[in-house]
Amino acid sequence: DTGVSQDPRHKITKRGQNVTFRCDPISEHNRLYWYRQTLGQGPEFLTYFQNEAQLEKSRLLSDRFSAERPKGSFSTLEIQRTEQGDSAMYLCASSPMGLAGEETQYFGPGTRLLVL
Amino acid sequence: KNEVEQSPQNLTAQEGEFITINCSYSVGISALHWLQQHPGGGIVSLFMLSSGKKKHGRLIATINIQEKHSSLHITASHPRDSAVYICAAISNTGNQFYFGTGTSLTVIP
Repeated sequence: DTGVSQDPRHKITKRGQNVTFRCDPISEHNRLYWYRQTLGQGPEFLTYFQNEAQLEKSRLLSDRFSAERPKGSFSTLEIQRTEQGDSAMYLCASSPMGLAGEETQYFGPGTRLLVL
Repeated sequence: KNEVEQSPQNLTAQEGEFITINCSYSVGISALHWLQQHPGGGIVSLFMLSSGKKKHGRLIATINIQEKHSSLHITASHPRDSAVYICAAISNTGNQFYFGTGTSLTVIP
């Protein structure tokens, strides 16, 4: 399977704990995106990488959230001091290099986070 | 107010019906995506378009840049088309994405 993969698929944590999610994009894709989706809503953009550079961060991404893509391949999204409002599906997508916005994004299966 | 508005929010159709889902946006965009999300949560990108019309099988997507409006049409709908359809507008900079809340489609046999 050469699609986008995410790990873990599910995570249950207690409020206040830190969690880290991983996304492995399609190997030749330069762009990587993180989204958050709560029940009944469309995805919300969180952040975007082109290779290892983080080019855009949504105002939704508070200082408790940090994302990295150190070698321009896989990416991690860490949430520190989790809150119940962080419970959501965290989606990762990748796309090949092209005119920004002019390429199709391929989505991973998502990581579902539940904060108790 | 959301930058992207979809209508209807929920849609139930009989198998075989022609379906239209609408998307209006208020920001300047470089392109617009139509996405399909099945109950398990997986998202599939159906179309990316910046002008005109695209067709793939029974799916047709159109966009009118001047009117800031896009439509997704499904011809001869089938129960397997049941899913949430999400419209996503990509900003002029290409880096900011604005998503609609989705249209939940149920096609009844």
